Amino acid sequence: GENVEQHPSTLSVQEGDSAVIKCTYSDSASNYFPWYKQELGKGPQLIIDIRSNVGEKKDQRIAVTLNKTAKHFSLHITETQPEDSAVYFCAANPAGTALIFGKGTTLSVSS
Amino acid sequence: GAVVSQHPSRVICKSGTSVKIECRSLDFQATTMFWYRQFPKKSLMLMATSNEGSKATYEQGVEKDKFLINHASLTLSTLTVTSAHPEDSSFYICSARGGTNTGELFFGEGSRLTVL
Repeated sequence: GENVEQHPSTLSVQEGDSAVIKCTYSDSASNYFPWYKQELGKGPQLIIDIRSNVGEKKDQRIAVTLNKTAKHFSLHITETQPEDSAVYFCAANPAGTALIFGKGTTLSVSS
Repeated sequence: GAVVSQHPSRVICKSGTSVKIECRSLDFQATTMFWYRQFPKKSLMLMATSNEGSKATYEQGVEKDKFLINHASLTLSTLTVTSAHPEDSSFYICSARGGTNTGELFFGEGSRLTVL
C-alpha cells in the first residue's frame, strides 16, 4: 500500500522567512496530493492541493511542487506570519481510495 | 469549499457506555465518507471507509464490532464507539469527498472523546 514520509517533524522560522516541508510517497498510482493545516483541537483544513498532471501550483504565499519521477512533493510558504503556526500534513491518494497522511510537521513562526 | 459538520465536538463518558458521533455533509451528497482517529501529536490514521447503503470497510486492526459505522443517507454517517474504555479516548475525525471533484477531501471539525 501507499506510504507517505514527511520531513521535518518540527520547523521553526522567523516571521518573514520561508518554510519548506517535504514529502515522499511510494505508490506510483497516487494522483492527488493535498496539504492540510491543523490548528490545535480542530480538524484539518485543506490549504492547497496538486494533481499528478501538474508540476507546480501557487496560491498567494503558498505553493506546492510535485516531482512524479522522484515521487516527492513539497509545500512552500513564503513571508511566514505567526498565524501560519500549526501542524501541516501532506497526503497522497492512490486512485479511488482514502487519503494516506504523512506524520505531520509542527511549524512555529516567531515574531 | 464543501462543508462537513461533525457532532458532538466534545464528549465525556463513563467506561462501558456507548457514544455516537455524527458526520454530515451540509451542501453536497457524499456516497463515501472516511473515519480517522488521531492521537495527541500524531497523524491521522484511517479507521474505516463508510459507504452509503452498504457495510463499512475497516482497516486492518480496527474492530468492527467496537466501532460501528452506519451510512444511512447520502449526507450522514455515524460512528458508534461501543462499550467505550479509556484507551478509546481520542480525537475522531470524519471526512467526505466534496461535490464532483474526485480526490478532494473535506474534514469535519473532529470529536474529542474522553472515556473516564
